[in-house]
Amino acid sequence: GAVVSQHPSRVICKSGTSVKIECRSLDFQATTMFWYRQFPKQSLMLMATSNEGSKATYEQGVEKDKFLINHASLTLSTLTVTSAHPEDSSFYICSVRGQDYEQYFGPGTRLTVT
Amino acid sequence: GENVEQHPSTLSVQEGDSAVIKCTYSDSASNYFPWYKQELGKRPQLIIDIRSNVGEKKDQRIAVTLNKTAKHFSLHITETQPEDSAVYFCAASKWGYQKVTFGTGTKLQVIP
Repeated sequence: GAVVSQHPSRVICKSGTSVKIECRSLDFQATTMFWYRQFPKQSLMLMATSNEGSKATYEQGVEKDKFLINHASLTLSTLTVTSAHPEDSSFYICSVRGQDYEQYFGPGTRLTVT
Repeated sequence: GENVEQHPSTLSVQEGDSAVIKCTYSDSASNYFPWYKQELGKRPQLIIDIRSNVGEKKDQRIAVTLNKTAKHFSLHITETQPEDSAVYFCAASKWGYQKVTFGTGTKLQVIP
């Protein structure tokens, strides 16, 4: 398996500011990480696939200039929400694809934009 | 792309009864079907998965069945307990590929 952490667990920011969320694979070198967004009482929606050392692959409808993803090392991927708006308030979860192809999820980050 | 539908959206059962959640998928190339349990505010936890080379898999009180021809798979929980209360998500993907497509979720409530 893989142990995945996220930081911060909760964050409140003002409209127009940017916020960075970190996803770390603690015991596994992850060439691929995934970023999901989950609105209340809804399913997980894949936002992008983060590839170490290369550009992220974004899902249709996800603004790459608004949701900046950096996967600079095999253990860290970051998601930066730029110029945040209240509608960006959501639960953001990352996951790591393990060697067994299963997905191991981080604990999630609750973002509230005021 | 893949589309996964899940039913029912909510399910209430008496403690000790069985619960069944059903999913259908659209991409016949999908061959890996995990099920996740998510408690409120927590991360999804894999509870069981099945690959398309088997029709059924069981782990204690939890079982999953797969019908490749009909492109549907189901989660069965027997002897339900209050701690089984959570949201359950089915998912589909192609083994070895990147993307996992999630179903819409089922909120299961087990009434003591």
